[in-house]
Amino acid sequence: GENVEQHPSTLSVQEGDSAVIKCTYSDSASNYFPWYKQELGKRPQLIIDIRSNVGEKKDQRIAVTLNKTAKHFSLHITETQPEDSAVYFCAASMGGSNYKLTFGKGTLLTVNP
Amino acid sequence: EAGVVQSPRYKIIEKKQPVAFWCNPISGHNTLYWYLQNLGQGPELLIRYENEEAVDDSQLPKDRFSAERLKGVDSTLKIQPAELGDSAVYLCASSSQGSAEAFFGQGTRLTVV
Repeated sequence: GENVEQHPSTLSVQEGDSAVIKCTYSDSASNYFPWYKQELGKRPQLIIDIRSNVGEKKDQRIAVTLNKTAKHFSLHITETQPEDSAVYFCAASMGGSNYKLTFGKGTLLTVNP
Repeated sequence: EAGVVQSPRYKIIEKKQPVAFWCNPISGHNTLYWYLQNLGQGPELLIRYENEEAVDDSQLPKDRFSAERLKGVDSTLKIQPAELGDSAVYLCASSSQGSAEAFFGQGTRLTVV
């Protein structure tokens, strides 16, 4: 089955700096890669996703890049703010009839004011 | 539009007791997932439903866990008997047909003592 590795497990940055979280996946058949943000005690919320026919996607301060050949994808947050502090999860999924999301173990991002 | 609704939010039970969790997905979403989230980990799929059919229950410990989605809308997840190691957050998610984008509920935090 699919295996998703996520690094780093913790990340601390100063407000205004950029943050990068990286994930690798094992199954070349995976073609959907979402990123979820989970604040303490709250539900995971989808913040951005990318499909395998696209190399990069941006939404305001966040962007995701995908390298299919290397089987890795990354989340980039620019101009970080204290409210960006949360746990971020990457995930991978195959399309077709199997939409099972396999998650990484998460990255605790702390943005220091 | 209401999101995925789960109840209860918190549950404390003694080991060997039964427990049940309830999930109401987003209206019109055919696909429903139950995920298990241990502390400091990413969600792990327990079971996935397409309408009322369980299409992937390979990760569900069937000796003590059961789930149902009788009318293809609400779903319940049951544990009987509960063990100490079952303490975790149980997340429900749903997605529309043909979409890999999953929306999560708030989760039920189970503590087995």
